[in-house]
Amino acid sequence: QKEVEQDPGPLSVPEGAIVSLNCTYSNSAFQYFMWYRQYSRKGPELLMYTYSSGNKEDGRFTAQVDKSSKYISLFIRDSQPSDSATYLCAMRRDDYKLSFGAGTTVTVRA
Amino acid sequence: DADVTQTPRNRITKTGKRIMLECSQTKGHDRMYWYRQDPGLGLRLIYYSFDVKDINKGEISDGYSVSRQAQAKFSLSLESAIPNQTALYFCATSDSQLKIGLGNEQFFGPGTRLTVL
Repeated sequence: QKEVEQDPGPLSVPEGAIVSLNCTYSNSAFQYFMWYRQYSRKGPELLMYTYSSGNKEDGRFTAQVDKSSKYISLFIRDSQPSDSATYLCAMRRDDYKLSFGAGTTVTVRA
Repeated sequence: DADVTQTPRNRITKTGKRIMLECSQTKGHDRMYWYRQDPGLGLRLIYYSFDVKDINKGEISDGYSVSRQAQAKFSLSLESAIPNQTALYFCATSDSQLKIGLGNEQFFGPGTRLTVL
């Protein structure tokens, strides 16, 4: 079983819709939770970072962490065609090593 | 991505050939990493280096070797390429001094698409 599970999609939504992405994990030692965005033919870039359970908001993006359920989510409000990308969840313990989900490919239709 | 560069961006080679992928960074970070990305498997760590004299195996190091020529340069070699090494390869960097907030955020290069025939 993978440490981090993420539905690869693909996910296609109309412009303006809410995009909901999630990951589950099995290692309770994970403390830091991240979402990376990867555009086609580009490297991943950090989008959101959270440390504790709860919500963190940044503009149209909201990251949620539920450590008791080992479940993290990313919500994109008022989605735009420019949000079309692959979104990867990542998490780590109190060290360097990142464990990534497989990534979910999102297409926002104009 | 401009702070982390990878060469070549695309490479097609044949089974048994030796291949070197290069990574350079201008971020001044001490830590560097090599990952491969495969559909459905996400990013997997091949090797990592915390400084010029420190090289460590990641989760899938078999068939690969690395060299940290300088703090800013980290190269990945496939000594004898095989078809199942066809993948997208990413170099990443991080700064061990970032202890507050993000702490060890990794910055990725644009990737090298390698095809082994």
